[in-house]
Amino acid sequence: GIQVEQSPPDLILQEGANSTLRCNFSDSVNNLQWFHQNPWGQLINLFYIPSGTKQNGRLSATTVATERYSLLYISSSQTTDSGVHFCAVLNYGGATNKLIFGTGTLLAVQP
Amino acid sequence: DAGVTQSPTHLIKTRGQQVTLRCSPKSGHDTVSWYQQALGQGPQFIFQYYEEEERQRGNFPDRFSGHQFPNYSSELNVNALLLGDSALYLCASSIAQGGGYTFGSGTRLTVV
Repeated sequence: GIQVEQSPPDLILQEGANSTLRCNFSDSVNNLQWFHQNPWGQLINLFYIPSGTKQNGRLSATTVATERYSLLYISSSQTTDSGVHFCAVLNYGGATNKLIFGTGTLLAVQP
Repeated sequence: DAGVTQSPTHLIKTRGQQVTLRCSPKSGHDTVSWYQQALGQGPQFIFQYYEEEERQRGNFPDRFSGHQFPNYSSELNVNALLLGDSALYLCASSIAQGGGYTFGSGTRLTVV
C-alpha cells in the first residue's frame, strides 16, 4: 500500500513564526488532505488538495503530485495552531481505496 | 448543514463486554469509514461501508463488525472487548465518486 511520511515529527515555534510541514507519499494519489487534530481529538480538514496550491488565511498548501509530495505552510503562527497536523492520501480505484494517514507533525506554538 | 455526528462521545466498558458506536454522515455523503486512533498514533483504517456493504477492511479482527443503514448512517460493533481496544474511534463520510473525507468528533472508548 501507499506509504506516507511526514516531517518534521515535532516542531516548537514562538507565536508569530512561520513554518513548513512536508508530506511525502510513495505512489500516485487522487486525494490528499491536510488535517489539524485539536486537543479534543477532532480532525479538522484544512485542505483538500490532490494537486496545485490553495490558500486559506494564514495557511496555504501545495501538492506536486508528479513528485509525490505536499507542503503545508503556516504563517504568523498562533497558539491555536498547536496540535497534530496530519497528511492523508487516497488512490480511488487503486489497490488501496482508503484514506491513509501519515505519522503526523506535533506542533507546539508558544506565546 | 450538519457535519458528521458520532455518539456517544465517551464510553467506559469492562473487558469482555460488547460496544456499539454510531455515526451519521454529512448530508449528501453516501460512504462511511471507521478509524481507530490509539494514543500518540495516527488513525488506522478499520473498514468502509457503501450501499450497506463492507467495501474495504483494514487489519482488524472479526471482533470488529459494522453496518450501514439505508439512510447511510452506520454502526461499529466491537465484541469481547480487550484493554487494547481503548482508543478514539473516528467516523468519516465521503462520496463514492471521490472528493474529501469529513470526520466526526469521535468516540473515546476506555476498556477497564
